[in-house]
Amino acid sequence: NAGVTQTPKFRVLKTGQSMTLLCAQDMNHEYMYWYRQDPGMGLRLIHYSVGEGTTAKGEVPDGYNVSRLKKQNFLLGLESAAPSQTSVYFCASSYGGHSKNIQYFGAGTRLSVL
Amino acid sequence: GENVEQHPSTLSVQEGDSAVIKCTYSDSASNYFPWYKQELGKGPQLIIDIRSNVGEKKDQRIAVTLNKTAKHFSLHITETQPEDSAVYFCAAKLSGYSTLTFGKGTMLLVSP
Repeated sequence: NAGVTQTPKFRVLKTGQSMTLLCAQDMNHEYMYWYRQDPGMGLRLIHYSVGEGTTAKGEVPDGYNVSRLKKQNFLLGLESAAPSQTSVYFCASSYGGHSKNIQYFGAGTRLSVL
Repeated sequence: GENVEQHPSTLSVQEGDSAVIKCTYSDSASNYFPWYKQELGKGPQLIIDIRSNVGEKKDQRIAVTLNKTAKHFSLHITETQPEDSAVYFCAAKLSGYSTLTFGKGTMLLVSP
């Protein structure tokens, strides 16, 4: 049982390049989330999904797009990377959202944009 | 939306001492308050949570207290050990919503 798996673990991009971060969960969770973690800023929600085929904006959605074509996968895309998007990205999933909302996190993707 | 403030940002204690981390939230409609622990190089992991209809919850050396009137909640760790060293995040969830708002985190350092 792998839980939440994020790929890749590390990536270096040049400004203007694009990339997709993949999150996969094997817990049959309905809800999935993408966060970014920056020093002194805590965890900030980028986008989230409450089920297959749905997406919604979080606190800091600008510059990112997401897709949830399959229940187990949640993709985060950067169309034109900027140095301000240098961060550690975490994906999380939860069984439910409106009750306790226990979120299970992946190990993170460290992204540097030069 | 909800806003969560967390203090202190760093906390250093000696092994065996107690540690307390405090959070305040802004929206009285929040009804669920989890605490996550993040070890170096890993993702956050839930360690304890509390619902708004409960004032205190304990799990071995950790406990969480909630004061709804003052809109603040705290994490208490007793008999700290070096393996407790990590970043701790508090969070709050608004009733009817499916997202968490996190505090900025507290780095706890436990010295042997």
